[in-house]
Amino acid sequence: DAKTTQPPSMDCAEGRAANLPCNHSTISGNEYVYWYRQIHSQGPQYIIHGLKNNETNEMASLIITEDRKSSTLILPHATLRDTAVYYCIVRGSGGSNYKLTFGKGTLLTVNP
Amino acid sequence: NAGVTQTPKFQVLKTGQSMTLQCAQDMNHNSMYWYRQDPGMGLRLIYYSASEGTTDKGEVPNGYNVSRLNKREFSLRLESAAPSQTSVYFCASSEHGMDTEAFFGQGTRLTVV
Repeated sequence: DAKTTQPPSMDCAEGRAANLPCNHSTISGNEYVYWYRQIHSQGPQYIIHGLKNNETNEMASLIITEDRKSSTLILPHATLRDTAVYYCIVRGSGGSNYKLTFGKGTLLTVNP
Repeated sequence: NAGVTQTPKFQVLKTGQSMTLQCAQDMNHNSMYWYRQDPGMGLRLIYYSASEGTTDKGEVPNGYNVSRLNKREFSLRLESAAPSQTSVYFCASSEHGMDTEAFFGQGTRLTVV
């Protein structure tokens, strides 16, 4: 499985955009990038995923670089309720392509 | 929709006791997973089941056994609990394949004394 690298923590002001980076330089051509978040020890919550193109849903946008070696999750107008640990995951390929492997993630703190 | 339901939500065991954590999903998903999360750490995969009738080891399988009882249910058993197994346990399910999201339960908080 491709590994991901994320900063351990980030701060963001309420109402501003939060841009969370993720490095996945060893990603394979058929592997997807997933983002999950975990609020205060609750079960992780799916946010968004993508393969090559940029993606947007009601929660966030996902920007994937053209070489696919990194991506950025954007929360356009962060609120206090967005304070959470954000996990960037590259979904495994081959026989274990359904497996999710979590790293330590980025603790995003949204400040008033 | 209930989604993924885990029971119990909290449990205290004595060292050496056994117990089974239950997980059920109502989304007709093929794949199910068990994770553990220690304080300040990310989730680590214990076991997973790609489909009914199959199970495979994850990163930290030692001390655990699993049963995929049917498509809905995936249980995790601790045969002889140890303090090192004190953790929060999460069950998840997803469709088989790389382009699908996983849904998580709310966790079981297990303390082994």
